[in-house]
Amino acid sequence: GAVVSQHPSRVICKSGTSVKIECRSLDFQATTMFWYRQFPKKSLMLMATSNEGSKATYEQGVEKDKFLINHASLTLSTLTVTSAHPEDSSFYICSARDSAVSYGYTFGSGTRLTVV
Amino acid sequence: ILNVEQSPQSLHVQEGDSTNFTCSFPSSNFYALHWYRWETAKSPEALFVMTLNGDEKKKGRISATLNTKEGYSYLYIKGSQPEDSATYLCAFCTVLGSTLGRLYFGRGTQLTVWP
Repeated sequence: GAVVSQHPSRVICKSGTSVKIECRSLDFQATTMFWYRQFPKKSLMLMATSNEGSKATYEQGVEKDKFLINHASLTLSTLTVTSAHPEDSSFYICSARDSAVSYGYTFGSGTRLTVV
Repeated sequence: ILNVEQSPQSLHVQEGDSTNFTCSFPSSNFYALHWYRWETAKSPEALFVMTLNGDEKKKGRISATLNTKEGYSYLYIKGSQPEDSATYLCAFCTVLGSTLGRLYFGRGTQLTVWP
């Protein structure tokens, strides 16, 4: 079946540095990529949606200059957390939509980011 | 923000017990309801996508029902096994909004099945 490979699974970084998270779709073309964030005991919340070759659409309250999303190819999307601060510590997970499959969403395994 | 509620938040059962969880969602502008099974350190695994009121779907010992008019879905697990231990997420998909296809998630029900 469709697989999305997400890396890294866990990262610890210093405050003020940037972190890049990658999601690669294997064996299918991810025309749309959704990026979610989950804080402890909360639900997955959509941060942004990106379509291949277009600028990402950000949800209200999500800073586009802080969370840079690149979706330059049909198999790779990246989320870069710029100038990370402790409050950005969270669980980030991507979900790719396979245009060939109705209602098909395939998730990565998530990235646990800790900013110290 | 649309509210999707799941209950209970967590559940501990003995092997062999049957169990069920609830997902409630807005009853208007419905497009689809998704159920996922999520084990720690793995990707959420799609269980069901339900689109029609009255839908009932089954996958082995797991089944789900859908009532779009009143805005709820039930997930049933018959004869729970330790390998069923996971977090079960439901996600609501609406026709509204600029991002068609975006999912609104509940917090999940964490199931632990003791041998």
